[in-house]
Amino acid sequence: SQQGEEDPQALSIQEGENATMNCSYKTSINNLQWYRQNSGRGLVHLILIRSNEREKHSGRLRVTLDTSKKSSSLLITASRAADTASYFCAPLTSGSRLTFGEGTQLTVNP
Amino acid sequence: GAGVSQSPRYKVAKRGQDVALRCDPISGHVSLFWYQQALGQGPEFLTYFQNEAQLDKSGLPSDRFFAERPEGSVSTLKIQRTQQEDSAVYLCASSSRTEIYEQYFGPGTRLTVT
Repeated sequence: SQQGEEDPQALSIQEGENATMNCSYKTSINNLQWYRQNSGRGLVHLILIRSNEREKHSGRLRVTLDTSKKSSSLLITASRAADTASYFCAPLTSGSRLTFGEGTQLTVNP
Repeated sequence: GAGVSQSPRYKVAKRGQDVALRCDPISGHVSLFWYQQALGQGPEFLTYFQNEAQLDKSGLPSDRFFAERPEGSVSTLKIQRTQQEDSAVYLCASSSRTEIYEQYFGPGTRLTVT
């Protein structure tokens, strides 16, 4: 298994702005997943991008994957206060378990 | 219910006590996972079941930790002789596939060992 490393550790923006979080990993992957965790609660799956995909959209979320740089980014457009949460990436190698980094703590100020 | 449920939501145990944490996965989900999340950290994998078979228990931190899923649905994580370092949130997740795609997480059990 391998761990994704999120960057930055913390991000504070105003409502309506865009938020970009990055994830780096070390070895080849099958897919990469992004999860969100609101304070004191379980994780919610946001989006999965496969290794042969470069970009994926879901509502206000846009995920990119660059396998040559072993990195991914999560963009949240037109952020809302409700987007305040920790965001984790989980790169997955075939047959292995999900391994999470320390996450990016996003604060969206109203 | 539609989601993964866990009980109890909060548990306070005195050091040395045994605790049992329960996970009810989404009905029909084949795969079940347990994670441990310390404050300010991401979840760390503990163990994985496919139906009733425990396929990976390499993340269990010591032999005081034991998990079972005897009928391939409900799972119990048991911690014997709890220590202060066991204080954490224990998360359960389930997945509908045998391959590890998106996982659906429960709200977790916050364990505090005093």
